[in-house]
Formats: sequence, C-alpha cells, structure tokens
Amino acid sequence: GAVVSQHPSRVICKSGTSVKIECRSLDFQATTMFWYRQFPKQSLMLMATSNEGSKATYEQGVEKDKFLINHASLTLSTLTVTSAHPEDSSFYICSASRTGPSPLHFGNGTRLTVT
Amino acid sequence: RKEVEQDPGPFNVPEGATVAFNCTYSNSASQSFFWYRQDCRKEPKLLMSVYSSGNEDGRFTAQLNRASQYISLLIRDSKLSDSATYLCVVISMDTGRRALTFGSGTRLQVQP
Repeated sequence: GAVVSQHPSRVICKSGTSVKIECRSLDFQATTMFWYRQFPKQSLMLMATSNEGSKATYEQGVEKDKFLINHASLTLSTLTVTSAHPEDSSFYICSASRTGPSPLHFGNGTRLTVT
Repeated sequence: RKEVEQDPGPFNVPEGATVAFNCTYSNSASQSFFWYRQDCRKEPKLLMSVYSSGNEDGRFTAQLNRASQYISLLIRDSKLSDSATYLCVVISMDTGRRALTFGSGTRLQVQP
C-alpha cells in the first residue's frame, strides 16, 4: 500500500486564492520531504526540500514567499501556493523516504488548476 | 554538467524488442541508485533498486558501473504496457546531509 499520502489529489481554485497541499508519511518518520512540480510533457522539477523543524531549502528560481512550506511534524509537510495564478496550474508531487539508502516514495500528486 | 543525466528519448521500439537506458552521475560519492517509472499524469513509482552486483526482476535488469559512473536499465521482450518515462534517482551524502538527484527521464514508447 501507499507509504506517502498526498491530499487533495485534484483542486480547482480561482486566481488570487491560496491552496494548501498536504503530504504525509504513513508508516515512517520523515525528517526530509521533497516537493516537485511537473508541467505537461516536462520532467519533474524539484521545488524545495522540506526539513522537519527548520526552514525549507528552495531551489533556484522558486519563490519561497509564494510556495510556503511547513514541516511541523515528522510525518507531515504542507505546501501552500499563495495568491495562485493560472501559470501555477501544474502537477505537484511530494516524496519522502526512510533514513539511510532507502528509495523515495512519492505521493499520488495534486493536480492544481487555477482559473 | 548536470549531476544526473539521461537521454530524454523517446525510444520507439517494437513489441518484443530489448531496450536499454543509461543514466550517468557526476558525484563519485553517490551511494544508492534507483529506477522509477512514471506514467503520463501519474506520480513516479519505484521500479527497482540498483545493486552493485547488478540485479534482475523478471524482464528488467539493472546494473551499476561505479568506475564509469553510470547505471543502466535493460528491458527484455518489451510490452506495450512498458511505455512510460523511466527516471533514475541517485542518493548521496553531502556534508552529512542526504541529497537526492534524479534525471529528467527517458521516454519509452513500445509500438505494436
């Protein structure tokens, strides 16, 4: 079964509103989770690394004030897309893994459409 | 040079063909390697880990070449259902922190 749960799987919102996406590790504690974005027919792009109890590390070109990441517990990280615009419409995916040389497990993704 | 590189493809092969993808990595201290499969509009799913001695799972064989810093994925007897994008993921320890890097993926299209 799934080890990383992401919610919601699909969301449609109006321009200017904020959307929160949750990523939960179901049966392990994840000190680090990762957030990605994928546009149609393009590869996954790492947006940021979410660190439990500290600030997230953002990739170059990703606005930290627009994409707020909170990793308040060892099993939950949230990504909030603030003041969403149509160009933010994309597929957002989180991932997490156990410690050590363990594989990544991906959430099932959130398809965001901003109208 | 990118840390992890893959040929984006697409690789168009007929059913039954054998196809191989490579993924090169630049960090010689990389520790763990994985192949993922991503179907259109879905999240990546773990296909197989890559072990130093090479490993096989059915029609899929993964190999690691540390000297030349690449991993490979071989698919035998391709099926239509193998059509997907294949991503390699490389995990390394960077100044005590775990860092993961993945390639941009290789697209495979198996044709009838």
